[in-house]
Amino acid sequence: IAGITQAPTSQILAAGRRMTLRCTQDMRHNAMYWYRQDLGLGLRLIHYSNTAGTTGKGEVPDGYSVSRANTDDFPLTLASAVPSQTSVYFCASRRTGDNEQFFGPGTRLTVL
Amino acid sequence: AQKITQTQPGMFVQEKEAVTLDCTYDTSDPSYGLFWYKQPSSGEMIFLIYQGSYDQQNATEGRYSLNFQKARKSANLVISASQLGDSAMYFCAMREGLIRRSSYKLIFGSGTRLLVRP
Repeated sequence: IAGITQAPTSQILAAGRRMTLRCTQDMRHNAMYWYRQDLGLGLRLIHYSNTAGTTGKGEVPDGYSVSRANTDDFPLTLASAVPSQTSVYFCASRRTGDNEQFFGPGTRLTVL
Repeated sequence: AQKITQTQPGMFVQEKEAVTLDCTYDTSDPSYGLFWYKQPSSGEMIFLIYQGSYDQQNATEGRYSLNFQKARKSANLVISASQLGDSAMYFCAMREGLIRRSSYKLIFGSGTRLLVRP
């Protein structure tokens, strides 16, 4: 693994189903983030974690939950998916003291 | 109120010419950071350049420079000598509260699609 990996690459999901998007980084970055990207709206922050064991809400947290049990992993869970959660989801990480956020390749999620 | 505004949904530029992508921002925080990211058609987000609100000089990274006009609250990206590979979406982003170390959240604009013509 080099950088940030996300799984799955894409997924079609029935409304009402539970889904977990996985994000793993091997850079030992303390901070991690989840964004969603929708046409015409840029990227919007869903949840973030400044360090393992802590999480915080971003701009659009409703319908999503996260956990940060260790430094490397930051899964995003949709407890009961709805069509408005159809989007491309990006995970990002940042080393403490740096400004740059590194992004994963994204997960394209379609909720029908 | 929108924090980051990119007023150019799409732009064309001739190969080898320079192009400026506009970005204006809104914040009352005296300490903030401004970023530009590139998103090619493959979808990944690539960091290009960063400017801190207290930086005295405009940031430069190779062919990229950031025209930072603090009083006007603008942070335009200038790409010199455009190449075909520069065709992509470009996003401006801001992080408020540089001093408040708990806040490292990025706010993104809606993006500008740049197409470089051969």
